[in-house]
Amino acid sequence: AAGVIQSPRHLIKEKRETATLKCYPIPRHDTVYWYQQGPGQDPQFLISFYEKMQSDKGSIPDRFSAQQFSDYHSELNMSSLELGDSALYFCASSPHEVEANVLTFGAGSRLTVL
Amino acid sequence: QKEVEQNSGPLSVPEGAIASLNCTYSDRGSQSFFWYRQYSGKSPELIMFIYSNGDKEDGRFTAQLNKASQYVSLLIRDSQPSDSATYLCAVNLAGGGADGLTFGKGTHLIIQP
Repeated sequence: AAGVIQSPRHLIKEKRETATLKCYPIPRHDTVYWYQQGPGQDPQFLISFYEKMQSDKGSIPDRFSAQQFSDYHSELNMSSLELGDSALYFCASSPHEVEANVLTFGAGSRLTVL
Repeated sequence: QKEVEQNSGPLSVPEGAIASLNCTYSDRGSQSFFWYRQYSGKSPELIMFIYSNGDKEDGRFTAQLNKASQYVSLLIRDSQPSDSATYLCAVNLAGGGADGLTFGKGTHLIIQP
């Protein structure tokens, strides 16, 4: 079965640089979520999109932005990178359900800021 | 205070025994509850979700929800060494929609052979 595809899997950047992460949801999943997980931390919700519109916003820094495109893939853009941005970034997708949104996570993109 | 609380552990359980993982949440409006398993450096994998009071069983796993007491638990029967992982409790605070899940910090479970 198709899963959530994230790219790149690993990314190394310098401070103050810009990075873009991509996420391709499971086919027919119309909702995409972005999470950030620092070392030894729980996943922190950043932002979500439903039908290409921003749906919910969590602890996403102003330096970050994201969007969902017409083919439902999503991109997370991170600018003015800081050392503290080093983390695993997970994308998850779900079908839009009334009772319980079951999220399926991608393998993650590991960002290292030097 | 974090909205979803878990004992970080480590919780050590002998192989073949029952592992019991607990989670409490603060928002009474929470609608749906999830247990994810995460191996180090890997992505969270869904174990179970529950949204009605009571028990829900799936193979060796049983989720229990008590909305009045605001807790949800996960029981793992016949624990195996491969069950050793961090177990994340997650809550949908608003119910449905495209709202992000709020995760607890996770409980590190160790199954001793």
